Amino acid sequence: GDSVTQMEGPVTLSEEAFLTINCTYTATGYPSLFWYVQYPGEGLQLLLKATKADDKGSNKGFEATYRKETTSFHLEKGSVQVSDSAVYFCALTRPLYNFNNFYFGSGTKLNVKP
Amino acid sequence: GAGVSQSPSNKVTEKGKDVELRCDPISGHTALYWYRQSLGQGLEFLIYFQGNSAPDKSGLPSDRFSAERTGGSVSTLTIQRTQQEDSAVYLCASSTRTSGDGDTQYFGPGTRLTVL
Repeated sequence: GDSVTQMEGPVTLSEEAFLTINCTYTATGYPSLFWYVQYPGEGLQLLLKATKADDKGSNKGFEATYRKETTSFHLEKGSVQVSDSAVYFCALTRPLYNFNNFYFGSGTKLNVKP
Repeated sequence: GAGVSQSPSNKVTEKGKDVELRCDPISGHTALYWYRQSLGQGLEFLIYFQGNSAPDKSGLPSDRFSAERTGGSVSTLTIQRTQQEDSAVYLCASSTRTSGDGDTQYFGPGTRLTVL
């Protein structure tokens, strides 16, 4: 079945460091891929998405490229800030509307230290 | 416009009591999801409603859990005879499930349930 695997955390970085959070997926067909972010005490927010191979999603300095050949959607940011400290979830969905087919990874906690 | 809202934001109950959690999705969103997030854990899918179709209940952990969606809008998640292991944050999300932005889920702030 469909699934998402992302690197375990926590990830601890100093401010202005480069961030990569790995995400790989298993799915038939052509899923849409997402990164959601959960700040402390809040619900999940969409960070970025990509709907087809080679698409790059970007937002708030974060980027992820849909790589079908490696079934990956790694999240990157060139220079993290303390305010980026949060839990990041990779997710996928396929357009089969009559049942749930939205799959989340287990989340990666990012701690950014000043 | 208004996002997904959930109430109450916090609920403390005693073991064995029933609780109801409410979700108001974004107007016009036909799909509604409930998830459970235990402390420090990922998301556990509970139930999915899509339009007038029969809901996908495959994620409900026991028959103490049930949910309904009235008029294709507001949803209520009911937990009967609560147990301490039910303590978690319950998240609701909605989406349009149509072309364009239809894949994106919009989440509410969650209800934090504590069972004493």
